[in-house]
Amino acid sequence: GQQVMQIPQYQHVQEGEDFTTYCNSSTTLSNIQWYKQRPGGHPVFLIQLVKSGEVKKQKRLTFQFGEAKKNSSLHITATQTTDVGTYFCAGLDLKTSYDKVIFGPGTSLSVIP
Amino acid sequence: SQTIHQWPATLVQPVGSPLSLECTVEGTSNPNLYWYRQAAGRGLQLLFYSVGIGQISSEVPQNLSASRPQDRQFILSSKKLLLSDSGFYLCAWSLSAGFGYEQYFGPGTRLTVT
Repeated sequence: GQQVMQIPQYQHVQEGEDFTTYCNSSTTLSNIQWYKQRPGGHPVFLIQLVKSGEVKKQKRLTFQFGEAKKNSSLHITATQTTDVGTYFCAGLDLKTSYDKVIFGPGTSLSVIP
Repeated sequence: SQTIHQWPATLVQPVGSPLSLECTVEGTSNPNLYWYRQAAGRGLQLLFYSVGIGQISSEVPQNLSASRPQDRQFILSSKKLLLSDSGFYLCAWSLSAGFGYEQYFGPGTRLTVT
């Protein structure tokens, strides 16, 4: 079945450094979503990408969807302590499911002040 | 605006006891509803999802069950809890129509089975 993988599993950065997490799907996706979960909290939706090669920005966060629609990335410029948390990607493959996305295992980001 | 409620926030239950977790959504109609479990420091495991009243899809075989007695109510149950049922249980909703709309999560229930 469809699998979504993320690397790295953990990332520790100094405050001010950049951070990137990568998401890869075993199948071509219809769309990709990104979520952030703060420690002790619940996942919060960040953004959705639909088009091949799409790039979206939210302040210091840049999201990309690969040309083949099988991978995505989230890049944070100049990390801050408020960026701490786990970032999940979630992909929808309409060929296998009409109603649910598959979540990746997440990348846990720690920011050292 | 839409709101999702989950209760209780925390729960400590002995092995073999029953379980009932409730999730309700306000401000939307006919949402897709989801139950996830998250082990400590791990990812999200989809347990059940529902696209309508009485319609439940199970993702993994286990001793848990789900029901959707009303449009905006989703219940997770167990007759006898196992130690392995401990975890963070999250309910989520999304718009229906099935085109991968974003999901909105409730605050979760932290379950410890002792």
